[in-house]
Amino acid sequence: GAGVSQSPSNKVTEKGKDVELRCDPISGHTALYWYRQSLGQGLEFLIYFQGNSAPDKSGLPSDRFSAERTGGSVSTLTIQRTQQEDSAVYLCASSFNPPSYTFGSGTRLTVV
Amino acid sequence: QKEVEQDPGPLSVPEGAIVSLNCTYSNSAFQYFMWYRQYSRKGPELLMYTYSSGNKEDGRFTAQVDKSSKYISLFIRDSQPSDSATYLCAMTENTDKLIFGTGTRLQVFP
Repeated sequence: GAGVSQSPSNKVTEKGKDVELRCDPISGHTALYWYRQSLGQGLEFLIYFQGNSAPDKSGLPSDRFSAERTGGSVSTLTIQRTQQEDSAVYLCASSFNPPSYTFGSGTRLTVV
Repeated sequence: QKEVEQDPGPLSVPEGAIVSLNCTYSNSAFQYFMWYRQYSRKGPELLMYTYSSGNKEDGRFTAQVDKSSKYISLFIRDSQPSDSATYLCAMTENTDKLIFGTGTRLQVFP
């Protein structure tokens, strides 16, 4: 497709379960970012992948959060042992010429 | 104090009005300044992108950056109901992670 694709669009999970969120970036975009958007909090940087360089993980809020990017394309954000405070919209963005990003529509995560 | 401050609104204006949206920031190292528009349940969409100080115009939209005051603005002329959305400012020192404001919700009524 022409845009950044994220799946699932909505996810409801029980507290303590693990979840995986997927991002398919635009083909050819070497940079990929994950952000989290909570109500009234704006977008919070989580992690950044650029080509074959080591990812910048400085925004991950705890060791329950991890992300990988396979083959320089698809990325998966994993949250282990989910907590209610993890409820948010998780946004993925990709770029060919940073800092100009294209965002996906996000995954709305609800932890109950 | 947050690195980037933005009035959350909501800002409600009649169709045809000139809208002014603003952000202030504290990090003088920021070099790149962006404005994103976000419709409900959608991802942010890049509207304007400015490097360093100055003005940039694109159709009905004008972005201004005043680095001496650490203040950026987005002006929307002849506002339309379709402009109703949340507007997010964002900035960065280099080309990696962006620091976002919390967004200003704009409503343009007919």
